[in-house]
Amino acid sequence: SQQGEEDPQALSIQEGENATMNCSYKTSINNLQWYRQNSGRGLVHLILIRSNEREKHSGRLRVTLDTSKKSSSLLITASRAADTASYFCATALGDSWGKLQFGAGTQVVVTP
Amino acid sequence: EPEVTQTPSHQVTQMGQEVILRCVPISNHLYFYWYRQILGQKVEFLVSFYNNEISEKSEIFDDQFSVERPDGSNFTLKIRSTKLEDSAMYFCASSERLYTQYFGPGTRLTVL
Repeated sequence: SQQGEEDPQALSIQEGENATMNCSYKTSINNLQWYRQNSGRGLVHLILIRSNEREKHSGRLRVTLDTSKKSSSLLITASRAADTASYFCATALGDSWGKLQFGAGTQVVVTP
Repeated sequence: EPEVTQTPSHQVTQMGQEVILRCVPISNHLYFYWYRQILGQKVEFLVSFYNNEISEKSEIFDDQFSVERPDGSNFTLKIRSTKLEDSAMYFCASSERLYTQYFGPGTRLTVL
């Protein structure tokens, strides 16, 4: 079974709209992290939410975590063309301190 | 802002050859990682390294792979005898404490 499956696989929105993507996982986690990857580039860390937190904000990003449903959501408000990228959730499992398990990602396209 | 750097950005090699991928983690970080991403697939964990030894490794990280911190700044991944299926983007990451990992831009390895 795979940890960190994102939904939807792809999302196309206009500038100024909000983008919401979800991540589901299967086993208990220490924390869940969201990363952004521009095409062919490295992964940029966006935000980390711990298993005992329910919501976290960073600038235009809002992350929620529901451990009872084993799911997380990432909301990007007032999207910009520069937000066009793939977004991945990554989980750090309860029995592993450093191994991140990534999902397949949500590809977000923001058109001007 | 400090960042993880990786060299080379692109490495082309013949099947069966040895390659060494190099990384310079962020200077005050203590935990180091390698991940890979085969084209179109998920980012996969390879190995984590702390206090000059491997902390955890995945099934992918077999005897053909090794890691080393030869001095106070570099962190290397060696593949002894490359296979076609080793073609991927290899990412180095580092973290100061557990969990929040900062990724380098990656090395694209092409095995012919």
